[in-house]
Amino acid sequence: TQLLEQSPQFLSIQEGENLTVYCNSSSVFSSLQWYRQEPGEGPVLLVTVVTGGEVKKLKRLTFQFGDARKDSSLHITAAQPGDTGLYLCAGEGETSGSRLTFGEGTQLTVNP
Amino acid sequence: DVKVTQSSRYLVKRTGEKVFLECVQDMDHENMFWYRQDPGLGLRLIYFSYDVKMKEKGDIPEGYSVSREKKERFSLILESASTNQTSMYLCASSIMVRQYFGPGTRLTVT
Repeated sequence: TQLLEQSPQFLSIQEGENLTVYCNSSSVFSSLQWYRQEPGEGPVLLVTVVTGGEVKKLKRLTFQFGDARKDSSLHITAAQPGDTGLYLCAGEGETSGSRLTFGEGTQLTVNP
Repeated sequence: DVKVTQSSRYLVKRTGEKVFLECVQDMDHENMFWYRQDPGLGLRLIYFSYDVKMKEKGDIPEGYSVSREKKERFSLILESASTNQTSMYLCASSIMVRQYFGPGTRLTVT
């Protein structure tokens, strides 16, 4: 079974600060996705990274896929209260078809 | 927009009851999934299905079964609910790898 370890599990910061969330594995993934989940809702896809070393930007969010396709990071610049939520990484295994392996999640709280 | 709906947002059941959780998607997706979500454990896959009448066990299938009689509908069944099945249950559908989630059912078993 492939595992994805996400850190930190909890993060509470002030508005305007920067932060990074990490997602690590000993397994290689064909692609890695990041989702955000708000209370009372299901996770919603933010981005998919496919190529080793790939960097994608979504406004103040920067996503990176490791060169070896075993890890990923999410960096948020100048966090805002609207960024508050649970961030989940999910990896597509090389032989798992459409099945995803999810990390444990990072609960981010941005205080005004 | 893809829509995945789940039959109940909140459900309270007694130990030993049979529980049905229904999930419907409107985008003709082949793949459907059931997860449970618990704090600190992320999403754990219970069962999934790649086609009608087809089902595959996920990582934690014990105590659960599923039914997929129609492409758009995927049901999760707790044959005899137990307190350790109190959790948030999320259904998802997908085409390729991207998954679309329903809003979840928070199930409490007392």
